[in-house]
Order: sequence, then C-alpha cells, then structure tokens
Amino acid sequence: QKEVEQNSGPLSVPEGAIASLNCTYSDRVSQSFFWYRQYSGKSPELIMSIYSNGDKEDGRFTAQLNKASQYVSLLIRDSQPSDSATYLCAVNTGSNYQLIWGAGTKLIIKP
Amino acid sequence: DVKVTQSSRYLVKRTGEKVFLECVQDMDHENMFWYRQDPGLGLRLIYFSYDVKMKEKGDIPEGYSVSREKKERFSLILESASTNQTSMYLCASKAKTYEQYFGPGTRLTVT
Repeated sequence: QKEVEQNSGPLSVPEGAIASLNCTYSDRVSQSFFWYRQYSGKSPELIMSIYSNGDKEDGRFTAQLNKASQYVSLLIRDSQPSDSATYLCAVNTGSNYQLIWGAGTKLIIKP
Repeated sequence: DVKVTQSSRYLVKRTGEKVFLECVQDMDHENMFWYRQDPGLGLRLIYFSYDVKMKEKGDIPEGYSVSREKKERFSLILESASTNQTSMYLCASKAKTYEQYFGPGTRLTVT
C-alpha cells in the first residue's frame, strides 16, 4: 500500500515566524511532489510542485525534497494569518494518472 | 490559467433520488477525476477518466457511476442517493506534468 503521511496538527505558529510542514512517502519510485493549500470549505489549490532533490523557492514558500530519506517539506517564511489553512501533500508514484494524498496538516498562524 | 467549474456549489437531495454532478475544464486535459472529501478521511478517489469514454474505478466507486462523452466534461452520477453520500465532491483535471487542478467543489446533502 503506497502511503503519504502528514502530521494532522494543528500546528500553531506565531505571525512572522517560519512554518515548517513535513510529509513522508513510502514508495521509493515516487517522482513528482506537490503541496496544496485548502481553506476551510474551499477546494485544494496548488501552491508548489517539486521534482528533483533540493530546494525550490517561490516567494515566501520553499519546498524541500530529499528522495533518499523519502520526505518532502514546505517552509512558509514570514507567516501571515492568511496562511492559516490545511496543507495537503500529494505524490505521484509513477502511475500515469493518480496522485497519492496525505490527510493534511492544519496550520494556524497566531497574530 | 486552468479553469475547472462544477455545476453546483451546494445541493440538497432526497434519499433515493438520482443525482448528477457535472464538471467542465477548459485546458484540453485528457485526465479528469472525481473525489469526495470527508472530515478525518481526507481525499478519496471515486473514479477517474483518462480519455473520452474511458474510465477507471478509484478507491470507493460503489454507489457511483461516471460519464465522459466529451473531453472537457466529466459527470458523476449517484444512482440512488443515500445519506452516507452526504459529502464534499471535488472534480480535478490533470496536466501532463501530473499536477491536478480542482474545481470549487459541490457540497451535497442527502436527507
């Protein structure tokens, strides 16, 4: 069974600090990794994708991938109250179609 | 920008009714997906389609069917709605690089 694991949280972070979200996956052949943000009552929104080892930065967001250790993380710098949401990790394991989804981490940014 | 639309944001149906949920994407994507999302259970794949008239069962297809007569449109059908099908239904469309883009979701209540 291919799995993607995330800490369900909630993760509480003060405004202005760095929020660190982690995700581990079980299938070593996984190739593509995605972070989605989901506000309460809304649909998931893609915020980062990463395909190779190392860091990928986009504004205040940095995705980090370590295939040897089978984890992917999302860092949010200068956290804002508007970053409060559930963050979903998704992994493509080589299937042409499907993503394997984590259950999500709820992030709360405290003013 | 990818645009995925769903026919209704909120829907209330009675037990035993046949329910149609429609999804339309404007990016000429070949692959489309239907998920349901329930608190504590995460995203669960119901069905997906990899081409017109082609479909495959996901993890929880029981009680559902799908139709894809045109590339841009993917319909989910609840043959005889039951209260345990009360949920948020999310349609997604997949790009060639594996990321999925979601519609706004339909919150279905079956009474």
